Amino acid sequence: DAGVTQSPTHLIKTRGQQVTLRCSPKSGHDTVSWYQQALGQGPQFIFQYYEEEERQRGNFPDRFSGHQFPNYSSELNVNALLLGDSALYLCASSPFGGGTNTGELFFGEGSRLTVL
Amino acid sequence: AQRVTQPEKLLSVFKGAPVELKCNYSYSGSPELFWYVQYSRQRLQLLLRHISRESIKGFTADLNKGETSFHLKKPFAQEEDSAMYYCALRTGANNLFFGTGTRLTVIP
Repeated sequence: DAGVTQSPTHLIKTRGQQVTLRCSPKSGHDTVSWYQQALGQGPQFIFQYYEEEERQRGNFPDRFSGHQFPNYSSELNVNALLLGDSALYLCASSPFGGGTNTGELFFGEGSRLTVL
Repeated sequence: AQRVTQPEKLLSVFKGAPVELKCNYSYSGSPELFWYVQYSRQRLQLLLRHISRESIKGFTADLNKGETSFHLKKPFAQEEDSAMYYCALRTGANNLFFGTGTRLTVIP
């Protein structure tokens, strides 16, 4: 099992552009969460997808959107990029469990986005 | 609103010395706390959770609701413990609120 895989690993965009990041969850996991990690900070929760729907959302603007596919993989889209969107974007997967799961998240290695 | 505070960005200890990484939290609900670790060139991974009350790699952490703390401790630090440590608070079914992290360096 390759665990959580993310692509691309690095990318550079300019202000105003749009970006799509991709994530494949760990085998057997049906829930995908996205986190933003700015330099020197801890990961910040963006949103979570389960059963192809956004279930919870953190304090991020509507420019951040996502999608989950029937095979549980997910995309994170960011529109109208700002310099402040430069960060490491982490995908994490887990089994949903309706809140009864262990709470353990399995993280990918991240996609590092640089906005110029 | 929830808050997780890790007051030390950097912490250095000598090999064999005790280590304590501090974590304080603020949360209106029933807290569930975790420690995650990121070793060099590895992905972020779970170290331990307070509910399990277990010792992992010699590390322990006790949830103190009175002091709203969840400090991570190890009696004798090893060089392989050098890593970035994040304290996290569970705020939803599968959602975690992370602190800013502490970089631990164990000096040989």
